[in-house]
Amino acid sequence: GENVEQHPSTLSVQEGDSAVIKCTYSDSASNYFPWYKQELGKRPQLIIDIRSNVGEKKDQRIAVTLNKTAKHFSLHITETQPEDSAVYFCAASIGNTDKLIFGTGTRLQVFP
Amino acid sequence: EAQVTQNPRYLITVTGKKLTVTCSQNMNHEYMSWYRQDPGLGLRQIYYSMNVEVTDKGDVPEGYKVSRKEKRNFPLILESPSPNQTSLYFCASKVRGAGADEQFFGPGTRLTVL
Repeated sequence: GENVEQHPSTLSVQEGDSAVIKCTYSDSASNYFPWYKQELGKRPQLIIDIRSNVGEKKDQRIAVTLNKTAKHFSLHITETQPEDSAVYFCAASIGNTDKLIFGTGTRLQVFP
Repeated sequence: EAQVTQNPRYLITVTGKKLTVTCSQNMNHEYMSWYRQDPGLGLRQIYYSMNVEVTDKGDVPEGYKVSRKEKRNFPLILESPSPNQTSLYFCASKVRGAGADEQFFGPGTRLTVL
C-alpha cells in the first residue's frame, strides 16, 4: 500500500537555529501535502500545505518544499522558538482523493 | 464557532464492553474520518465517510464500526473492545474535493481498554 516515511523521529535544536523535517511518499499521483503541528495533549492543526503544482511555499518562519521527481517534501522552520516545540506530522494525499496518509511524526524540542 | 467535537474525551473500560465514541461537526463537511494515534506509528485511518450513508474502510478497520446517518455525526463503535484498541482517537472532517482542503480535527478521545 501507499506510505509516507518521515525523518527524523526526534530533533533537538537551540533557540534561533533552523529545523528541517523530511518526508518521502510512494504514490506518484499524490497532489496535496499538508503539515500538521500537534502540541502536547492537543489536536493536530494544519500549519502549512503545498500542492503538486508548486515547488515551494513560505509563511513567515515556516516553509515547505516539494520535489515531485524524487517524491520528497520538507518542512523548514527558521529562527526556532520554544513554542515551536511539538510533534510535526507530514501527510500526502492518495492520488487526487480526500484520503491522507500520515508520516510517523517528528518530535521537535527547541531549547532556550 | 466552527468545530469538531468528540465525546467522551477520556474513557477507561474493560474488554468486551461495547462502547461508542461520538463525533460531531458544525461546518457542513461531507467528508469525515476516524484516526487512531499510537506512539511511533503516527495517525492511521480507521474508517471514513464521503457523505451520508457512504462509509468505507481505512487502513486499520478491524474491530471497529461506524455509521453516517446524518451529515454532522460520525460515531465510532467498538462492539467488543480489546486491549490492543487502547489508543488516542481523533475524528476529522473536511470539505470534499480533490484532496486539497484542510482536515479539521476534534480534540481527541483517550481510550484505555483493560
